[in-house]
Formats: sequence, C-alpha cells, structure tokens
Amino acid sequence: DAKTTQPNSMESNEEEPVHLPCNHSTISGTDYIHWYRQLPSQGPEYVIHGLTSNVNNRMASLAIAEDRKSSTLILHRATLRDAAVYYCILMSGANNLFFGTGTRLTVIP
Amino acid sequence: EPEVTQTPSHQVTQMGQEVILRCVPISNHLYFYWYRQILGQKVEFLVSFYNNEISEKSEIFDDQFSVERPDGSNFTLKIRSTKLEDSAMYFCASRSTGTGGSSSTDTQYFGPGTRLTVL
Repeated sequence: DAKTTQPNSMESNEEEPVHLPCNHSTISGTDYIHWYRQLPSQGPEYVIHGLTSNVNNRMASLAIAEDRKSSTLILHRATLRDAAVYYCILMSGANNLFFGTGTRLTVIP
Repeated sequence: EPEVTQTPSHQVTQMGQEVILRCVPISNHLYFYWYRQILGQKVEFLVSFYNNEISEKSEIFDDQFSVERPDGSNFTLKIRSTKLEDSAMYFCASRSTGTGGSSSTDTQYFGPGTRLTVL
C-alpha cells in the first residue's frame, strides 16, 4: 500500500474555507487518490476521489498537483458538521482501503 | 439513500465466548468488507468477500475469525473465542462495481459499526 502523509490536526473557523493537504511522493501512475472522513462515533464516509484532474462534488473539491505527488482536499465553507478525521488514501486495484492516521479537523464556531 | 446497516450497535461478551456481528450491505453491491478500529487507533482492514468467498484477508484475520453470507442480504463476522484485545468497533462496508468496474474508482460504503466489548 502506497504511503500518504497528512498533518495530525488542523483548525478552521466556521464558514471559512479549509485546505487539507496530503503528500504522496511515491504515488504510481495507476493510483487514484481517495478521501474519506470519519465523523465522531461513525463509520468512515467517502468524500471524493481523483486521478490527475481536479475534481468537484457537492461535498468538496480535490486539487491534485501536476506531478501528482501531493493533493489538497478543499472544503469551501467549513461547518461544525465537517469536524472529523480526514483520510487521504491511494487506491490502485487493491480491494481494500488502508487508513492512515488522517488529519483531525476542528471547526471553531 | 441506501445505506449499510449493522446489528447490534453494542455487544458485550465474556472472554472466550463466540460472537456474531451482522451487517446488511447495500442491496445491489457485490463486494463486502469488515474493518475494525480499536479505540484511539487507525481503521484496520480485516477481510474482503466476493462471490461467496474470501478474496483477501489481513494478518489480523486469523483462524478465530470467519465470515459468511448466509442469505441474499446478510453478511456476518464471527469470532469463535473472543479475547480482550478483540474489543473494538467493527465496521462493515460494501461496494458495487462502479463505472470503471475497478476497485480503484469505486466507493466503499460503511455501516455505523458495532462496538464489541470483551470482558
């Protein structure tokens, strides 16, 4: 399983944008970048994924560096409900998800 | 929106007892998973299941563990003789084959988990 590196924790003020970074310098050409999050006392939840191009969905945006060695999950307006642990995971045909320690996002009202 | 459900939400058992954790995956999904999360630690993969057989398992998934899809809807995890260190949250997940038919692009949907406490 390819490795990712994320900050242990980040804080954001409510209704401000949040940029959650992920480094994956050993990413291979076939690795997709997935983001999941885990709200307190809940199971992990899919957020977004991408390969090379930036991606947007109703939850977030994913910005992928041109060399693909890093990516950033962007929450455009953080709400209190976005307080969670965010996981950046590389997937390349593996059947299962390998979770790291993720980034714990605290949203300050 | 369809969701993965798990029962019970909390299971307390004595060491050495057998437990069965139950999951109902999303109905048209074909791949099923169990993960566990010891309190304060990472989510860890246990086993994946497809076409009525285990497709992959981790080192954690030893002979004390087994999985079964006894009917068209349930997916179970059995621990034959529980140990104190089996205390954890157990998450079931499922996925379909997505637009690309590849696990690299598919989304896994997780249930809310079963908290297992072994005394």
